[in-house]
Amino acid sequence: SQTIHQWPATLVQPVGSPLSLECTVEGTSNPNLYWYRQAAGRGLQLLFYSVGIGQISSEVPQNLSASRPQDRQFILSSKKLLLSDSGFYLCAWSAGGTQYFGPGTRLLVL
Amino acid sequence: ELKVEQNPLFLSMQEGKNYTIYCNYSTTSDRLYWYRQDPGKSLESLFVLLSNGAVKQEGRLMASLDTKARLSTLHITAAVHDLSATYFCAVVPYTGNQFYFGTGTSLTVIP
Repeated sequence: SQTIHQWPATLVQPVGSPLSLECTVEGTSNPNLYWYRQAAGRGLQLLFYSVGIGQISSEVPQNLSASRPQDRQFILSSKKLLLSDSGFYLCAWSAGGTQYFGPGTRLLVL
Repeated sequence: ELKVEQNPLFLSMQEGKNYTIYCNYSTTSDRLYWYRQDPGKSLESLFVLLSNGAVKQEGRLMASLDTKARLSTLHITAAVHDLSATYFCAVVPYTGNQFYFGTGTSLTVIP
């Protein structure tokens, strides 16, 4: 069966510091991968999606970037965090059907 | 611009009552998904609707899809407290791999 992992689960970072969130999927090959952000009490904002290694589509211009160095690994990064980057970051995968979500990373930027 | 609208945004209902959540979308699609999110948790897949007229049921929840009206409904029968959560619908257009999520409906079931 397929599983999706995200880490860390929780992160508190100062403004201006770098960020690296990791997402890995097990049990499937060549999945579509997605990064979403959810502000407190709000809906989902699609940040990036990837249909293959090295293929990244950005949905919202901002100070975040994404990379897919391996088939089942998706990384979300920032060189300098802003206060507005705080939120709940969700990674998801799909293989042409349902989208399955990871447990999420809660990021607080102070 | 593709839009996915849910209503109501907030719903407070008593245990035992019935209610329907609506999901309208602005694109042509025959792929509609419903998710549940508990407070502080990730999203959990509830239903997958892949054709016009599709109906799926799980316990007290029933989802349906009308692709001609571009409308999906999530019907709650005899609500219980355990159903309290936020419910999202998501649409995938005919072209593309992106999931477009609705704004979510926050449901509170009052004993």
